[in-house]
Amino acid sequence: QITLKESGPTLVKPTQTLTLTCTFSGFSLSTSGVGVGWIRQPPGKALEWLALIYWDDDKRYSPSLKSRLTITKDTSKNQVVLTMTNMDPVDTATYYCAHPRRYCSSTSCYSWFDPWGQGTLVTVSS
Amino acid sequence: SYELTQPPSVSVSPGQTARITCSGDALPKQYAYWYQQKPGQAPVLVIYKDSERPSGIPERFSGSSSGTTVTLTISGVQAEDEADYYCQSADSSGTSLVFGGGTKLTVL
Repeated sequence: QITLKESGPTLVKPTQTLTLTCTFSGFSLSTSGVGVGWIRQPPGKALEWLALIYWDDDKRYSPSLKSRLTITKDTSKNQVVLTMTNMDPVDTATYYCAHPRRYCSSTSCYSWFDPWGQGTLVTVSS
Repeated sequence: SYELTQPPSVSVSPGQTARITCSGDALPKQYAYWYQQKPGQAPVLVIYKDSERPSGIPERFSGSSSGTTVTLTISGVQAEDEADYYCQSADSSGTSLVFGGGTKLTVL
């Protein structure tokens, strides 16, 4: 059974750096094809994909947030860390980590998320 | 940046069929995925690779694709299906993932 859980601060001040940790079980980031992704959701708004890291350290970022995001993995601890710099009140959201499923054809690979963690609400306010 | 477009809301009576669409230019090249999100809960995958249903998801949930539009169909809608539904896909290169704006399904 795959489970994921997000942890980190619930309140950060504007301009600060947010560091979130995803701790997971039921899979290993040393296994080929495996990864962890981050998605966020501002209150009452839509989901927004942030970043993705795979077992081989391949990293993908949302183009609109790429300059502010860093995703890393600690395979021995079964953890993935997301940092986001220069936080702003518009970054107030529930942040989810999720397990990406992957299908690769002869030409392309396709990713989706299943399952998701419970999410953690991060508020940006002075 | 690439966008997926969903109707903000869909309303149906119990027992009827609900259809939620998602449009995007890259959908002929990329698969679509659908998630159900109930208030205060994390999203749950209900359809993957356009039309595949994960284990544990009721048969009344189905997906289809035609050109630049994909459709989530819920046949015989039940009160418990009232939720927000999000489509997800990728840009034409496959490197950037994207979610639609979400559709609120109301069961009248």
